[in-house]
Amino acid sequence: NAGVTQTPKFRVLKTGQSMTLLCAQDMNHEYMYWYRQDPGMGLRLIHYSVGEGTTAKGEVPDGYNVSRLKKQNFLLGLESAAPSQTSVYFCASAQSGGIKSEQFFGPGTRLTVL
Amino acid sequence: EDQVTQSPEALRLQEGESSSLNCSYTVSGLRGLFWYRQDPGKGPEFLFTLYSAGEEKEKERLKATLTKKESFLHITAPKPEDSATYLCAVLNYGGSQGNLIFGKGTKLSVKP
Repeated sequence: NAGVTQTPKFRVLKTGQSMTLLCAQDMNHEYMYWYRQDPGMGLRLIHYSVGEGTTAKGEVPDGYNVSRLKKQNFLLGLESAAPSQTSVYFCASAQSGGIKSEQFFGPGTRLTVL
Repeated sequence: EDQVTQSPEALRLQEGESSSLNCSYTVSGLRGLFWYRQDPGKGPEFLFTLYSAGEEKEKERLKATLTKKESFLHITAPKPEDSATYLCAVLNYGGSQGNLIFGKGTKLSVKP
């Protein structure tokens, strides 16, 4: 049982390049989330999904797109990377979105945009 | 606007020196308050969920409490391995999708 895994662990991009971050969970969770964590800002929600085939915007969605084609996977895409997207990205999953549902986090992806 | 504020930003303790971390919140309606631990270079690890004022939960040297305006994470006789950043997050009544509002965290350092 690997929990939540993220690929890649590190990545360096040039401004304007594109990339996709992959999140996978093996806990059969319905809900999945993408966050970014910046110094002094705390964790901020980018996009989330409440089930296979669904996605929704979070607090800071601009410049990102997501897809949830399979229940166990949640992809985060950057179409044209900008230096402001330099951050650590965390994926999380939860059994439900209600009150009794803690989120389980992956190890993170450290992205640098030059 | 819903908001979560954690204090202090950083805390240095000697091994065995008990203390408390604070998480104050303003939300339209609290459905739950969550505590996480985050080690350097890793993702947050779930510790506790508190649902109503007066509730308390314990895990080893950690004890979390909740009032109508704030939560405390009490650390009793800490050890160096308790060093980490502790994050607080709230779920409000509008958060049916589990969207948590996080504080910026308290970085705890415990020296031997």
